[in-house]
Amino acid sequence: AQTVTQSQPEMSVQEAETVTLSCTYDTSESNYYLFWYKQPPSRQMILVIRQEAYKQQNATENRFSVNFQKAAKSFSLKISDSQLGDTAMYFCAFIYIIQGAQKLVFGQGTRLTINP
Amino acid sequence: EAQVTQNPRYLITVTGKKLTVTCSQNMNHEYMSWYRQDPGLGLRQIYYSMNVEVTDKGDVPEGYKVSRKEKRNFPLILESPSPNQTSLYFCASSPLLAPGKTQYFGPGTRLLVL
Repeated sequence: AQTVTQSQPEMSVQEAETVTLSCTYDTSESNYYLFWYKQPPSRQMILVIRQEAYKQQNATENRFSVNFQKAAKSFSLKISDSQLGDTAMYFCAFIYIIQGAQKLVFGQGTRLTINP
Repeated sequence: EAQVTQNPRYLITVTGKKLTVTCSQNMNHEYMSWYRQDPGLGLRQIYYSMNVEVTDKGDVPEGYKVSRKEKRNFPLILESPSPNQTSLYFCASSPLLAPGKTQYFGPGTRLLVL
């Protein structure tokens, strides 16, 4: 089964702190891509960061970085110098190809609150 | 501007009254899909389409229909809505041969079935 597990339903930190969101996944596929999406109160799905599974180097996007442990099937998101605008629901997801179809599998989400 | 649009954004309806949620993209993407988002469950795929006239079921297709007569449009049809279809719905598109690329999501449609 292809699954994504986010074990932290909610997290809360103070502004400017660093926070790490956990994500583990399970797949038998060898070729896949991993994502973190942000969903602010507007409900829009916004791509935060992307990682190709075949790349060992961890992806970074400004204050956002991932810790990708392929053998452990772990894909955590680190937000440095957190800002009030980072308050949102965060979804971990991966995409794989099966019989030509793209299958995007999401975790349950982590609600992150940044406090002033 | 590259975008996926959905209409309506909000809809309240009653059980059994057929409805259609439209989805349109302007990026010439082959791949389009529908998801529903429910608390504690994340997003789950309802249907997807790899190109015009090519559609297939996702993980939760019961109670839904789709069609893909044009490349840009991928409407979601609820023939006889029921309260358990109350949810937040997202349409998404992406290039078929570049799955690692960004999935472009629409703004979402919040549906309440009474």
